[in-house]
Order: sequence, then C-alpha cells, then structure tokens
Amino acid sequence: GAGVSQSPRYKVAKRGQDVALRCDPISGHVSLFWYQQALGQGPEFLTYFQNEAQLDKSGLPSDRFFAERPEGSVSTLKIQRTQQEDSAVYLCASSSRTSGSRDEQYFGPGTRLTVT
Amino acid sequence: AQKVTQAQTEISVVEKEDVTLDCVYETRDTTYYLFWYKQPPSGELVFLIRRNSFDEQNEISGRYSWNFQKSTSSFNFTITASQVVDSAVYFCALSDSGGSNYKLTFGKGTLLTVNP
Repeated sequence: GAGVSQSPRYKVAKRGQDVALRCDPISGHVSLFWYQQALGQGPEFLTYFQNEAQLDKSGLPSDRFFAERPEGSVSTLKIQRTQQEDSAVYLCASSSRTSGSRDEQYFGPGTRLTVT
Repeated sequence: AQKVTQAQTEISVVEKEDVTLDCVYETRDTTYYLFWYKQPPSGELVFLIRRNSFDEQNEISGRYSWNFQKSTSSFNFTITASQVVDSAVYFCALSDSGGSNYKLTFGKGTLLTVNP
C-alpha cells in the first residue's frame, strides 16, 4: 500500500552540477507526471509518461532537463548544468489509468532542490 | 489556454469559523475536470475532490463542501467549523481534454491558517 516515493527529499547542488531525481510511482500505475513547484506558487507541469513512453514534454523549461522511465515504472528527472532558477520542489505524481480516464493523480512528497 | 485563478492568497480564521476558498477557471473545452488538493506543511499534495464539467451537483463530504457553477466558471470550496488541522495551502486545478495527456493546471494556492 505504499504511495509515491521520491528521493532524495532534499538536494543541494552547486551551480553547474548535474542532478538526478528519482520517482517510484504506485505499483501498477500507468501514468506518471513531473511537476515543478517554485516557492509560493502552484505546481507547474513538466512532462508526462504513459508506461515507458514520454507523451508530452512540453513543460520542460530547457534542454538541460531530461526525464526517462525506461521500464514503465521508476522515473528519473535529470537536470544538467544546474542554474539558480532551477531551485524548486520537484513533484512526481502517478495515476492508475491511461489518458482515457481522469483519475486523480497521487503525489509524492517532492524533492526540494537548492542550487547555490 | 487553460487558467486557474485563486484570488485569495492568504486567509486566517479562528477555529470553528466557516471559510470559503474561491476558484475561477478558464478553458475553451466543454469537457474538463476540476480538482482540489490540500498541501499541508509536510509538502505532499493530498487529493480532495474531482468534478467533471457535466456534473454541476454540489458535493458535501463531512465538513467539506464544493459549489460548482459553470455560469460563473467557479468551483469554490467551503470548510465548515474549521479546525487547526485544516491549516494548509489549498490548490484548485483544471484538466481539460486537450492533447494526449491530462496534466493539471494549478492555481497559485490559498494559504489557510486556522487559529485556536
């Protein structure tokens, strides 16, 4: 009965470093989303996977951001050459069905990234 | 383009007061879904309710109730007899039928503080 888990919970990176954020969705969930939440703001969509296929990456802010879900379960969001504006909480969410349904998304606790 | 506006940035009430959180949305689609999520200080977004655009019936769940009015594009959330544990940031979100995924578009959130 585990929910969505994310690791690490906190990450401090020096500007220019690469980081990798991990998301473990609820077992069996088909859809996986990444969101970015800046301080005092609502989450903003980054990218969406249906199983291993990345169907929408329109929200990724630059080509420094890359996400993958090679086996249709665990997903990794990678940020290359981090910049201060990348500082935010990165939220992962999963839902049980495909885009044919409007199931609610279950969110993980997020990874707080601070770029110094 | 879809948009969600939560005009109230912060609300402070005393325990046992009723409080209403406002949400106004914009979408060109006739089929869409509206959500409310709660984000307590721990940071994890908690799903509260989902409502589709064809169901304008108001809903009550314990101390929580929701008023959906298509005529004014509003989906307001009322907490009756508020409690200290209700203190959190509350987000309204919209998902429409555009594209091949159902990403959520969030408002900026309303910080609710319930004082003892």
